Amino acid sequence: GEDVEQSLFLSVREGDSSVINCTYTDSSSTYLYWYKQEPGAGLQLLTYIFSNMDMKQDQRLTVLLNKKDKHLSLRIADTQTGDSAIYFCAETSGGYNKLIFGAGTRLAVHP
Amino acid sequence: KAGVTQTPRYLIKTRGQQVTLSCSPISGHRSVSWYQQTPGQGLQFLFEYFSETQRNKGNFPGRFSGRQFSNSRSEMNVSTLELGDSALYLCASSSTSGNNEQFFGPGTRLTVL
Repeated sequence: GEDVEQSLFLSVREGDSSVINCTYTDSSSTYLYWYKQEPGAGLQLLTYIFSNMDMKQDQRLTVLLNKKDKHLSLRIADTQTGDSAIYFCAETSGGYNKLIFGAGTRLAVHP
Repeated sequence: KAGVTQTPRYLIKTRGQQVTLSCSPISGHRSVSWYQQTPGQGLQFLFEYFSETQRNKGNFPGRFSGRQFSNSRSEMNVSTLELGDSALYLCASSSTSGNNEQFFGPGTRLTVL
């Protein structure tokens, strides 16, 4: 069935790198996404990766995809306090625009 | 380009009432999807509309319904509200080309008393 799993909490020091991990089940997913949600706000699309790619870099963000293990990760370089938020991994399922989300990883950045 | 807008931002209703939420997608986007976010169940897909037709549906009871107008604006309706319907309802719009990026609005916070 459709399922996306993420660890629930990550704490890092300001300036360090953060790595948020995600596993998914739908091998037919065409795209995989990372969204960020700040308190009281909607979801902000951070980046996405096409299923035939292994890696995508976008400024401080690096996405790695291991399709064999159905594992996705998001690395944030030089993490700042403004990066504190909940990060959601999502896969497309059943075609069209149905997204299946993980439970979200709360990233806490401390000085 | 203006983002996705949702109205109202906050709503308080009582059990048994019905509610209508509105979503205006990004100009040029023809697909609108709705999601429910709760602390217990997380983010769950409700349905998607494209060109005024429901194209995909999640596992929600028939009390949850929606529609889309010719200008791509969408509404969702929840009838006979239950306490468990209290949630943040998020709308996302997407263009029909490219990588299916979905852009979310700020959400409508519904509280059922």
